[in-house]
Amino acid sequence: EVQLVQSGAEVKKPGESLKMSCKASGSSFTTHWIHWVRQMPGKGLEWMGMIYPGDSDTRYSPSFQGHVTISVDTSSSTAYLQMNSLKASDTAMYYCATSDLEQLVVSLEYWGQGTLVTVSS
Amino acid sequence: EILMTQSPATLSVSLGERATLSCRASQSVRSNVAWYQQKPGQAPRLIIYAASTRATGIPGRFSGSGSGTEFTLTISSLQSGDFAVYYCQQYHDWPPCTFGQGTKLEIK
Repeated sequence: EVQLVQSGAEVKKPGESLKMSCKASGSSFTTHWIHWVRQMPGKGLEWMGMIYPGDSDTRYSPSFQGHVTISVDTSSSTAYLQMNSLKASDTAMYYCATSDLEQLVVSLEYWGQGTLVTVSS
Repeated sequence: EILMTQSPATLSVSLGERATLSCRASQSVRSNVAWYQQKPGQAPRLIIYAASTRATGIPGRFSGSGSGTEFTLTISSLQSGDFAVYYCQQYHDWPPCTFGQGTKLEIK
């Protein structure tokens, strides 16, 4: 079974940068799309983007394009979400997720535990 | 971008009763819809994929239906553990793989 373990909670100041991680185990990392999902406090799920580790093909939601960068390190089976020039409105829980089907963009069966990001001066 | 609209925003149902949650897509997504359950403090959990297929370990009281633009999640004989927020998501046309805004299922 796939397991996704995300990096720990972060407290940042406005203007700072952040790179969080999502380490995968239990499946072939390079053949499954890794998705990132944001959940602001008390709000719903927002799909941010995804990456195919096999060739680093990356797709972003228009809402997040240019504001975040998704990357991978296949040697460590880890996906990353980077955010620069943080604002208070970036305060949220961030989840990584993946499916159990190779190569396909489908439903998200496996989720990380989430990384809570707090941006405050 | 495909929009997913869920209704109602909040649904109050008694234990043992049936709950029907709706999700509408702004254009056809065929059967490429998933439903997720999220409880407070937890990550979402996949309930239904391909509009009507239960995910691994999901009890039979959960069922999904629909295709095209109209989708329904039905939970028969509600149990206390079923009260949560439910989200639909389309993965037919991406990016983005849009989520609905969620339906909160609460005990009446």
